[in-house]
Amino acid sequence: SQQGEEDPQALSIQEGENATMNCSYKTSINNLQWYRQNSGRGLVHLILIRSNEREKHSGRLRVTLDTSKKSSSLLITASRAADTASYFCATEPYTRNQFYFGTGTSLTVIP
Amino acid sequence: SQTIHQWPATLVQPVGSPLSLECTVEGTSNPNLYWYRQAAGRGLQLLFYSVGIGQISSEVPQNLSASRPQDRQFILSSKKLLLSDSGFYLCAWSPGQGNSPLHFGNGTRLTVT
Repeated sequence: SQQGEEDPQALSIQEGENATMNCSYKTSINNLQWYRQNSGRGLVHLILIRSNEREKHSGRLRVTLDTSKKSSSLLITASRAADTASYFCATEPYTRNQFYFGTGTSLTVIP
Repeated sequence: SQTIHQWPATLVQPVGSPLSLECTVEGTSNPNLYWYRQAAGRGLQLLFYSVGIGQISSEVPQNLSASRPQDRQFILSSKKLLLSDSGFYLCAWSPGQGNSPLHFGNGTRLTVT
């Protein structure tokens, strides 16, 4: 299976704290993407980082990518209760046209 | 703007019955189309993807099949459902160019009884 893994599986923090979740994958990639899923809904794209990039920012999101370790991290700063959701990483291999998702991190932000 | 429609939202079907889930995309042409399945509390498993009409690639051998009869229509089918087919089915599209994100529908919750 080309599915990656997220760590931790679940994370609970207080509002205003930072949340960090990690993703490991197995194959060489073209890019890595992070998605958010609210309960019972489809996934929403958050940020994409290309294989030749090491860090990317978007608002309160910061993503890093280490292709030598085949790992990525997503940092959400100054978390809000509305950030409560599941977060998934997805990789697009060099062969393209496929996207493989990790197992997800369930984030709970306590008001 | 582009939109993706997926229906039905929920479905309860008996074991052995057929299945047809439909997904359509508006506002774009020649998209790549995808079917994923998500088991309860788990990640997404890629089932099928299509880069054009009549072109279907299967990721996992299973009880399901997919078809793309029109450019922006993607259908997931089964002749006889199994209990293990229960799950949350998600359709998605991408522009088909490199380094582009997936755009998801709202999903279908399928319960096989």
